[in-house]
Amino acid sequence: KQEVTQIPAALSVPEGENLVLNCSFTDSAIYNLQWFRQDPGKGLTSLLLIQSSQREQTSGRLNASLDKSSGRSTLYIAASQPGDSATYLCAVADTGFQKLVFGTGTRLLVSP
Amino acid sequence: GAGVSQSPRYKVTKRGQDVALRCDPISGHVSLYWYRQALGQGPEFLTYFNYEAQQDKSGLPNDRFSAERPEGSISTLTIQRTEQRDSAMYRCASSWTSGRLVYEQFFGPGTRLTVL
Repeated sequence: KQEVTQIPAALSVPEGENLVLNCSFTDSAIYNLQWFRQDPGKGLTSLLLIQSSQREQTSGRLNASLDKSSGRSTLYIAASQPGDSATYLCAVADTGFQKLVFGTGTRLLVSP
Repeated sequence: GAGVSQSPRYKVTKRGQDVALRCDPISGHVSLYWYRQALGQGPEFLTYFNYEAQQDKSGLPNDRFSAERPEGSISTLTIQRTEQRDSAMYRCASSWTSGRLVYEQFFGPGTRLTVL
């Protein structure tokens, strides 16, 4: 059974810092990995999708990498801003399945 | 275009009542997913459809939970004889699927269910 872990559970940084969020998964036979952002009381916003054949994806100040063999993904946020404050969720889709298995998230607070 | 919509956004019901939660996916999306999210946790898979066919319902907790998507578009998740432990955020997502290729899932705002 696939299990997804995110470290740290919470992170507080001053504005302007570069930061890394970590995601690990137990079964490397994944189809893709998706990073989401969740704001309090709101829905999930898709940030980046990495297919299993890819090593990384970039969108603006966000860069996500994938190392299938070691069961790890990282989300790099450059020059953090207070508006980046949210919970970040990592989710994997196993090969042969379409459902996503989510981690418990990293709660990020960026202070001005 | 319009995103995934869900209704109602909030539902308060008494224990023992049946509830129906509705999801309207992004137009043209083949796949539709239901998840449930407890406070402080990531969403957990319940079931999903490709077109009108329910492909996987392994995440439904018990037989009080059922889902349908009769015309391959709007879906309804029904919970019969609700219990307090059913209280959670219920989220719907949709994605485009082509053959064996699965694309990113887009989520709706969710329905907050509270069972008193």
